[in-house]
Amino acid sequence: SYVLTQPPSVSVAPGQTARITCGGNNIGSKSVHWYQQKPGQAPVLVVYDDSDRPSGIPERFSGSNSGNTATLTISRVEAGDEADYYCQVWDSSSDHPYYVFGTGTKVTVL
Amino acid sequence: QVQLQESGPGLVKPSETLSLTCAVSGYSISSGYYWGWIRQPPGKGLEWIGSIYHSGSTYYNPSLKSRVTISVDTSKNQFSLKLSSVTAADTAVYYCARISSSLTDYYFDYWGQGTLVTVSS
Repeated sequence: SYVLTQPPSVSVAPGQTARITCGGNNIGSKSVHWYQQKPGQAPVLVVYDDSDRPSGIPERFSGSNSGNTATLTISRVEAGDEADYYCQVWDSSSDHPYYVFGTGTKVTVL
Repeated sequence: QVQLQESGPGLVKPSETLSLTCAVSGYSISSGYYWGWIRQPPGKGLEWIGSIYHSGSTYYNPSLKSRVTISVDTSKNQFSLKLSSVTAADTAVYYCARISSSLTDYYFDYWGQGTLVTVSS
């Protein structure tokens, strides 16, 4: 099965840039989606198809994907960005396509 | 605005069947899209359980496939999850979600608030 690996935690000062990585075998050949989950809340889609943003998501959230690593970048980090972030791909390589989530990264705003 | 709401027992005994329903408002399931279930054990990450199309075709996580059944009731605009032979390892917050698609891929764009199901005697 396809595995997505994220760093357990990332710390960033307000106003700085946070970069969250998502590693997978040749992930650059897949589309990667990112979710933000605050404590006690459901996940919220913040980036889809590597770099597109749903309506209502600030431009501070951006994504990229190449090789074996996808990256979610949060610019000008705010206290409200503190949350867990998960990457996700749809693995269609097997007989039965299925959805894979990354291990999750906790972003702490210092 | 699409809204999803999970409902069902919050406590299930070991070896019994967990049953949850997701009521959808703001969109007719029969109009299209896939719909899915995802779970999250306390303090852990997200795990996809399975998905269903409005026509009734299903995809399941291979690790849960032998115990999972997902069905859809378009007349009530809802879909359901059944997970049999549960153990403490099935204790989790269960989410339902809509699955949207781009030209080449699928992602979860609308989520329910989630419901905690505890497996305990």
